[in-house]
Amino acid sequence: DVKVTQSSRYLVKRTGEKVFLECVQDMDHENMFWYRQDPGLGLRLIYFSYDVKMKEKGDIPEGYSVSREKKERFSLILESASTNQTSMYLCASTVGGAGNQPQHFGDGTRLSIL
Amino acid sequence: QQQVKQSPQSLIVQKGGIPIINCAYENTAFDYFPWYQQFPGKGPALLIAIRPDVSEKKEGRFTISFNKSAKQFSLHIMDSQPGDSATYFCAAVEETSGSRLTFGEGTQLTVNP
Repeated sequence: DVKVTQSSRYLVKRTGEKVFLECVQDMDHENMFWYRQDPGLGLRLIYFSYDVKMKEKGDIPEGYSVSREKKERFSLILESASTNQTSMYLCASTVGGAGNQPQHFGDGTRLSIL
Repeated sequence: QQQVKQSPQSLIVQKGGIPIINCAYENTAFDYFPWYQQFPGKGPALLIAIRPDVSEKKEGRFTISFNKSAKQFSLHIMDSQPGDSATYFCAAVEETSGSRLTFGEGTQLTVNP
């Protein structure tokens, strides 16, 4: 079974802090994604990566950056956390190629910015 | 800009009822439409998917109906059970352009015993 592991289930940080969210997948997937989930807004794509050291902006990249130094690990960085970044963050991975491959999600990190 | 619109936002049914969740899309290049199911405390997981060359697909108690001309598709859950209580997301993708999904807003389904 594919396993996508997010380093923290709950995280509380302060405004202005630099925050790192880590995601690791164990199935040698090429593609990795970061989403945020907010009630009534669904899953919104922040950044994604099709390969090591590659990154593409999603729909809401402002205030975030990412790092993919190894194929299995995709990190989301909040450069200077703000209260409007309080949310549930989900990481996903999928094999490369066509869009009919299922995305495998981690169980999420609930981030609170005080 | 939300390219996939989903309704309703929440839905409550009794056990045995048939909840229906509707989605509409704008981009005619979309050609693969998956549904994801998310239980509390868990990440979403692929439930069922359809391509626009078929009008209906069934997997167990879950059925997708697809109306290409109207650019709409819906999920029906037959004989719903309390264990089906979850959040459901529809999504769309243009298969050949990669695996970037566009998700709907989600529907929180509660099935009462």
